[in-house]
Amino acid sequence: DVKVTQSSRYLVKRTGEKVFLECVQDMDHENMFWYRQDPGLGLRLIYFSYDVKMKEKGDIPEGYSVSREKKERFSLILESASTNQTSMYLCASVPTVNYGYTFGSGTRLTVV
Amino acid sequence: AQSVTQLDSQVPVFEEAPVELRCNYSSSVSVYLFWYVQYPNQGLQLLLKYLSGSTLVKGINGFEAEFNKSQTSFHLRKPSVHISDTAEYFCAVMGSGGSNYKLTFGKGTLLTVNP
Repeated sequence: DVKVTQSSRYLVKRTGEKVFLECVQDMDHENMFWYRQDPGLGLRLIYFSYDVKMKEKGDIPEGYSVSREKKERFSLILESASTNQTSMYLCASVPTVNYGYTFGSGTRLTVV
Repeated sequence: AQSVTQLDSQVPVFEEAPVELRCNYSSSVSVYLFWYVQYPNQGLQLLLKYLSGSTLVKGINGFEAEFNKSQTSFHLRKPSVHISDTAEYFCAVMGSGGSNYKLTFGKGTLLTVNP
């Protein structure tokens, strides 16, 4: 069974901390995505990557950066965490459009 | 650019009743369309997708959706719901001509099935 694994289900961090959210997929997919999910707002795209070391901004990239050094791993970085970044973060990957996205279980981040 | 509007934020129904979750999209190019389901404290799972061909698409768990190009809609239906269908449902659109596979999601519809 194909998998997208997010390293933490729950995280609590302090304001100003640098935060790393990790996502690993075992399907050899080229394309990977980071979304945040907030009640009443649905899913909003933060960043995506279509190849190793390649990245593109999504709709809400401010305050975030990403890293993709290996094909299977896509990291989301909060450079200086703020309380308005408290959210559910979802990672996804897709090889081609015919299969649809495979999502991880999500990381619920609380910034205090 | 694409956008998705899910017309109902919450839909309460009784068990064994039929249900329709409405989705309209806006796009200047041809699109692919998707419905995802999210159960509590889980990630999203693909229910069904429209890429081309027949406008009536069948998915998992007895759900189906119909693509209507003239009305730019992709409504999700199930003839008889179960308690276990209680979840949040997301409609999503992707431009078919692009190469970055970026999905744009609606804000979601919370389906609550009551006994």
